[in-house]
Amino acid sequence: DAGVTQSPTHLIKTRGQQVTLRCSPKSGHDTVSWYQQALGQGPQFIFQYYEEEERQRGNFPDRFSGHQFPNYSSELNVNALLLGDSALYLCASSLYHLSLNTEAFFGQGTRLTVV
Amino acid sequence: QKEVEQNSGPLSVPEGAIASLNCTYSDRGSQSFFWYRQYSGKSPELIMSIYSNGDKEDGRFTAQLNKASQYVSLLIRDSQPSDSATYLCAAGNTDKLIFGTGTRLQVFP
Repeated sequence: DAGVTQSPTHLIKTRGQQVTLRCSPKSGHDTVSWYQQALGQGPQFIFQYYEEEERQRGNFPDRFSGHQFPNYSSELNVNALLLGDSALYLCASSLYHLSLNTEAFFGQGTRLTVV
Repeated sequence: QKEVEQNSGPLSVPEGAIASLNCTYSDRGSQSFFWYRQYSGKSPELIMSIYSNGDKEDGRFTAQLNKASQYVSLLIRDSQPSDSATYLCAAGNTDKLIFGTGTRLQVFP
């Protein structure tokens, strides 16, 4: 049973560039959430996708956008990269529940460095 | 005020002892609570979930939830050096998880 997979594992980009990160959820899961984790901090919620729609968004600018495909996989896009976007980007997959957060499992993350 | 608060540590315990990790949350609407373990340079790994008041045990781990006090804890019995990691507490708030900054646990032989 494949767990959550993310690609790429590491990425170096220049300020102003754009980046796309990818995530495939755990088998049987239908919901993907993205988090940003800066060094020494806990993960910060970016947004969540279910049924190919953005369900909720954290306190991140519009430079951060996403997409979910019919097979439940997801992409995170960041435009006009800033040095402060350097972080570990985590994808979490779960099974949707209307009123309760179900167990979410993280992929190995993508380490993004902006220079 | 941070929504989920944890003592950053480090918490140092000898091998074989009980490690006690604590977490408080501010949103009374939170209904789901999770503990994740994160080794340096790795992604968080789910170790416990708890949804109702009381204790939940899984092997060497016990999670405790007190919604009236807005308090969640994790006990690790018979601590091993391999338990040395950062432990993240998370509170479920509708579609998202709110994480604390984590407590670093060090288990020394």
